[in-house]
Amino acid sequence: QVQLQESGPGLVKPSETLSLTCAVSGYSINSGYYWGWIRQPPGKGLEWIGSMYHSGSSYYNPSLKSRVTISLDTSKNHFSLRLSSVTAADTAVYYCARDVGTTYFDYWGQGTLVTVSS
Amino acid sequence: EIVLTQSPGTLSLSPGERATLSCRASQSVGSNSLAWYQQKPGQAPRLLLFGASTRATGIPDRFSGSGSGTDFTLTLSRLEPEDFAVYYCQQYGSSPRTFGQGTKLEIK
Repeated sequence: QVQLQESGPGLVKPSETLSLTCAVSGYSINSGYYWGWIRQPPGKGLEWIGSMYHSGSSYYNPSLKSRVTISLDTSKNHFSLRLSSVTAADTAVYYCARDVGTTYFDYWGQGTLVTVSS
Repeated sequence: EIVLTQSPGTLSLSPGERATLSCRASQSVGSNSLAWYQQKPGQAPRLLLFGASTRATGIPDRFSGSGSGTDFTLTLSRLEPEDFAVYYCQQYGSSPRTFGQGTKLEIK
């Protein structure tokens, strides 16, 4: 069974870079599918951040594109998110998920809360 | 980008009743490229339906979806206690992919 687990700092200072990793088990990220990140501010809805394919092709939400980098490490079977120049508006639960051909998301991690505060 | 508006914001029903949730798009969603998710407190969203009406693996048949173009519906035929949650629609017919703001299904 495919499982995903996010990890990373729960607190990031304003203007710094948020970095999260998603460990995947039960499936090799090198075998296919896109791998993506979605976030959910407290009490609000979901926002797709970006996704990357094992070949290296990636695409991002235009609203965040200038600050986002997603990368894959196939040797460790995990992928990562970096979001630069964060503000309080970036405070959210961040989810990693398997992205089915840039359509819907069929497996999700449990999510990790990242708070942006000094 | 396509804006998805879900209604009602909150739906209060009793177990055994039928629930109808709406998702309306600001422009046509191509090829019925719409998914539905269920989210319970403190949990990740769970995929229920894709292609507007195809149930994901393991989803009971009391969940059904319909619609096309700009209007989509998620129907729960007979509510079970575990169905009370927040439901989100998501379109993937146009980039960027977007989600609705959610409908909270609560016990009456």
